[in-house]
Amino acid sequence: DAKTTQPNSMESNEEEPVHLPCNHSTISGTDYIHWYRQLPSQGPEYVIHGLTSNVNNRMASLAIAEDRKSSTLILHRATLRDAAVYYCILSDRRDNQGGKLIFGQGTELSVKP
Amino acid sequence: EAQVTQNPRYLITVTGKKLTVTCSQNMNHEYMSWYRQDPGLGLRQIYYSMNVEVTDKGDVPEGYKVSRKEKRNFPLILESPSPNQTSLYFCASKRGTAGGAYNEQFFGPGTRLTVL
Repeated sequence: DAKTTQPNSMESNEEEPVHLPCNHSTISGTDYIHWYRQLPSQGPEYVIHGLTSNVNNRMASLAIAEDRKSSTLILHRATLRDAAVYYCILSDRRDNQGGKLIFGQGTELSVKP
Repeated sequence: EAQVTQNPRYLITVTGKKLTVTCSQNMNHEYMSWYRQDPGLGLRQIYYSMNVEVTDKGDVPEGYKVSRKEKRNFPLILESPSPNQTSLYFCASKRGTAGGAYNEQFFGPGTRLTVL
């Protein structure tokens, strides 16, 4: 399974943009890039995913490098509620065993008022 | 409201006393899965199910059993719990059984289990 590398922690100020990086230098052509986050005392929740093109949804944007070896999750205006552990996960479309999510340590994001 | 529910949310038990943690989803999802989360080890998959009566081992299945008799329910059974099964457990479900793009998984709120 291709691995991802994320910083252990990051800090942000409320209402400012946050850029969460993820390196996946061994990504294969069939790997999708998924982001999940886990708020304190809750289960993980899906944020966004992409393959090659940048993606936007109501929660965040995902910017994918041209060589796909890295990606960045962008929260456009951080709120206190965005304080969580953010996980960058690769999911192979050839996976026919359900799509097990392999969680690393993630990035713990703290948001200051 | 689309959701995954787990019961109980908290449980303290003693070594060897059989227990079941229930998981139910109301989204008609084919795929369901159990994870455990431990400090420093992250979330690891215990068992998964691709559909009714179809279950398979994940990465850490020892000491656990599951069943999938109905589409909506996927209970986790600890026949003889031991202290090393003290952990935070999450159930998850998703539509379809493929990886790749179709991997938006919905997680339950978690069950914190302590085995004394």
